[in-house]
Amino acid sequence: DGGITQSPKYLFRKEGQNVTLSCEQNLNHDAMYWYRQDPGQGLRLIYYSQIVNDFQKGDIAEGYSVSREKKESFPLTVTSAQKNPTAFYLCASMPLESETQYFGPGTRLLVL
Amino acid sequence: SQQGEEDPQALSIQEGENATMNCSYKTSINNLQWYRQNSGRGLVHLILIRSNEREKHSGRLRVTLDTSKKSSSLLITASRAADTASYFCATDGLGNNRLAFGKGNQVVVIP
Repeated sequence: DGGITQSPKYLFRKEGQNVTLSCEQNLNHDAMYWYRQDPGQGLRLIYYSQIVNDFQKGDIAEGYSVSREKKESFPLTVTSAQKNPTAFYLCASMPLESETQYFGPGTRLLVL
Repeated sequence: SQQGEEDPQALSIQEGENATMNCSYKTSINNLQWYRQNSGRGLVHLILIRSNEREKHSGRLRVTLDTSKKSSSLLITASRAADTASYFCATDGLGNNRLAFGKGNQVVVIP
């Protein structure tokens, strides 16, 4: 899992609640990514950022929001608009001169 | 969008046997990568093969790439119980430093 930390490991969300997943990296990587993983599925890209103060929507951005105020941090907010948030969320980072992504240990989000 | 599609999706083998899994994709790529995921953990990069390469080795791993068939295979030789994991292929052809991941192969190595 390298120098990428995700917290918490488990997160519980109540109906109508926004929750924020943390992702921090000390690898000095420029690009950061958020993926969602459902059972039996591959990874689907939610949002990504290649530089501070800039980010782009991935394939399933609806119901999610991000910010990139610092190079080392890329928090993901799961909003109440995301009706099926139960999943395993993975954060990754990559130096722009590389083609390989480095992943954090993941956060499992459950709905109460 | 997901390009990679691994086949077969689940494989159970005895320790010491070889494990082979395949991946197909639909569009042009710059490279294809394989990642491993242990249960409930993040992904770990295993190997990258570029579009102008046909075969690559790394330890007990052998990857082949056939761009005419838009397919790749990952061979793990002399498997160990510690190789039990899910294996994902990912293609880089979308631009913007994005990867498209397949659905994964679950490999169980029985001691």
